[in-house]
Amino acid sequence: GQNIDQPTEMTATEGAIVQINCTYQTSGFNGLFWYQQHAGEAPTFLSYNVLDGLEEKGRFSSFLSRSKGYSYLLLKELQMKDSASYLCAVEGQRNKAAGNKLTFGGGTRVLVKP
Amino acid sequence: DAMVIQNPRYQVTQFGKPVTLSCSQTLNHNVMYWYQQKSSQAPKLLFHYYDKDFNNEADTPDNFQSRRPNTSFCFLDIRSPGLGDAAMYLCATSRDQGSLTYGYTFGSGTRLTVV
Repeated sequence: GQNIDQPTEMTATEGAIVQINCTYQTSGFNGLFWYQQHAGEAPTFLSYNVLDGLEEKGRFSSFLSRSKGYSYLLLKELQMKDSASYLCAVEGQRNKAAGNKLTFGGGTRVLVKP
Repeated sequence: DAMVIQNPRYQVTQFGKPVTLSCSQTLNHNVMYWYQQKSSQAPKLLFHYYDKDFNNEADTPDNFQSRRPNTSFCFLDIRSPGLGDAAMYLCATSRDQGSLTYGYTFGSGTRLTVV
């Protein structure tokens, strides 16, 4: 089966750093994604990790450890506009029947306070 | 330059009245997906098309059907909407089985209200 866990909610102060953890247990692994989703809108792509290590992209970084089934998304220099839900998603098996199917975690709602 | 377009953005339908949501793409991606996302929950995959091949998730209710008449268009039909079907419906596309470095491409979603 597929199981992806992330905290439900986090609060941080503008200008600070927040780390959102994600643990997963999936049948097959072909990559882990982080998406940002503002209320009432579609998810937007933030990052993709397939190899162990840290991927840095501006204020956002994502880390993956395949052996531990663990990832985190690091948001630096928080801005008010970063208040949103952050979804961890894993691509499991990859074949014609599965396509590139993503299984999503429940999302972490981040609230940035002034 | 919208790449995955969902219409309408907001849809209100009556309990039990069939409704169709549409998705079109200009990316020429051969895989298209429909996800259901209820408030404060994770998106849940309903089904996907790999080219013309339809792949249904095991727990998708029979009330939900899909059609893909060509590469560019995919439709979600809800035969008899219930109050529990109120949700955001997300269409997404991907290219073959290749690298997803840039992830799925999601449409803007259709928010369905059932009255």
